[in-house]
Amino acid sequence: KNQVEQSPQSLIILEGKNCTLQCNYTVSPFSNLRWYKQDTGRGPVSLTIMTFSENTKSNGRYTATLDADTKQSSLHITASQLSDSASYICVVRDNAGNMLTFGGGTRLMVKP
Amino acid sequence: EAQVTQNPRYLITVTGKKLTVTCSQNMNHEYMSWYRQDPGLGLRQIYYSMNVEVTDKGDVPEGYKVSRKEKRNFPLILESPSPNQTSLYFCASSWRNPYNEQFFGPGTRLTVL
Repeated sequence: KNQVEQSPQSLIILEGKNCTLQCNYTVSPFSNLRWYKQDTGRGPVSLTIMTFSENTKSNGRYTATLDADTKQSSLHITASQLSDSASYICVVRDNAGNMLTFGGGTRLMVKP
Repeated sequence: EAQVTQNPRYLITVTGKKLTVTCSQNMNHEYMSWYRQDPGLGLRQIYYSMNVEVTDKGDVPEGYKVSRKEKRNFPLILESPSPNQTSLYFCASSWRNPYNEQFFGPGTRLTVL
């Protein structure tokens, strides 16, 4: 069964600090992996997508990495801001069908 | 403004009383989907639709129905709601298939007593 595991489940950091969120998956055959940000009470919004051939991709202060061999992805947030407080969800799509596998998310809280 | 809208945003109902949650998108997307989000379980797909008159079951379809008579609308129907359907529901849409970025609605918080 396809699975996506995210760690940590929750994280508290001080404003201005960096952090890294992890996503491990067993989805096969792999097509792509997308990171979403979900603010409290709102729908998820896409941050970035990683395909098989991509190792690193940046979107402002967010940098995603992908290691397709070990089936791991990370989302690194640089110089965190209070507005980064949200849940971050990793979603993996396989090539076999049209369904997506969602991770449980990491809940990040940035404190002043 | 390009968006996905859901109604109602909040709903409290009782067991067995049929309800419909509407979802509409104005981006001419072919693909639409319904998810439920529960603490500790993340987002789980209920049903999805690749295009008009084409719907398929997701991971947790039991107790739900959907229809796709028009491209822009994808209502979620609970014929006989039960307390275990208390959850936060999201509708999403995208071009062609979920490879493309999904745009999510604002969510509907449903409580079944």
